[in-house]
Amino acid sequence: NAGVTQTPKFQVLKTGQSMTLQCAQDMNHEYMSWYRQDPGMGLRLIHYSVGAGITDQGEVPNGYNVSRSTTEDFPLRLLSAAPSQTSVYFCASRGGWGKDTEAFFGQGTRLTVV
Amino acid sequence: GQQVMQIPQYQHVQEGEDFTTYCNSSTTLSNIQWYKQRPGGHPVFLIQLVKSGEVKKQKRLTFQFGEAKKNSSLHITATQTTDVGTYFCAGHDFHSGYSTLTFGKGTMLLVSP
Repeated sequence: NAGVTQTPKFQVLKTGQSMTLQCAQDMNHEYMSWYRQDPGMGLRLIHYSVGAGITDQGEVPNGYNVSRSTTEDFPLRLLSAAPSQTSVYFCASRGGWGKDTEAFFGQGTRLTVV
Repeated sequence: GQQVMQIPQYQHVQEGEDFTTYCNSSTTLSNIQWYKQRPGGHPVFLIQLVKSGEVKKQKRLTFQFGEAKKNSSLHITATQTTDVGTYFCAGHDFHSGYSTLTFGKGTMLLVSP
């Protein structure tokens, strides 16, 4: 049971480049989220999904896109990378309402935009 | 929107001293969760509190949920170097349901031997 798998673990981008951070979970969880973590800022929600085909914006969505075509996968796309997007990104999944609402996190992706 | 505040932001203790972090929400919470993140790692779930006034213990860790379900605390008795990390509280807003989990900024704990 792999849990939540994020790839890549590290990435360096040039300003203006685009890329996709991958996230997959094998726990059949309905809820998936993307957070970014910056020093002193805690975990800030970027986008989230409550099921396949359903996504919504979190606290800091600008510059990011998501889609949820399957229950397992929830990729995060950076459209045109900016230095302000240098951060550590975490994907998390949870069971839905009334189920296990404990969040399981991936190992994180450390992104540097130069 | 819902805000979850945590204090202190940082604490440095000597091994054997006690440690407490406090979490306050701007809205009533359905439940409160606590996570620990080791340096360089990812957040890992510790516990969930659901009932008003609930107290739970895990060895040297004591978790409390306030009577009004708007605040919580984590107390570590006799800290050890293995307790080093950042502790986050997170809550589901009572009115918005379980779709989003809002995290506090965390308290970074450093323990010197």
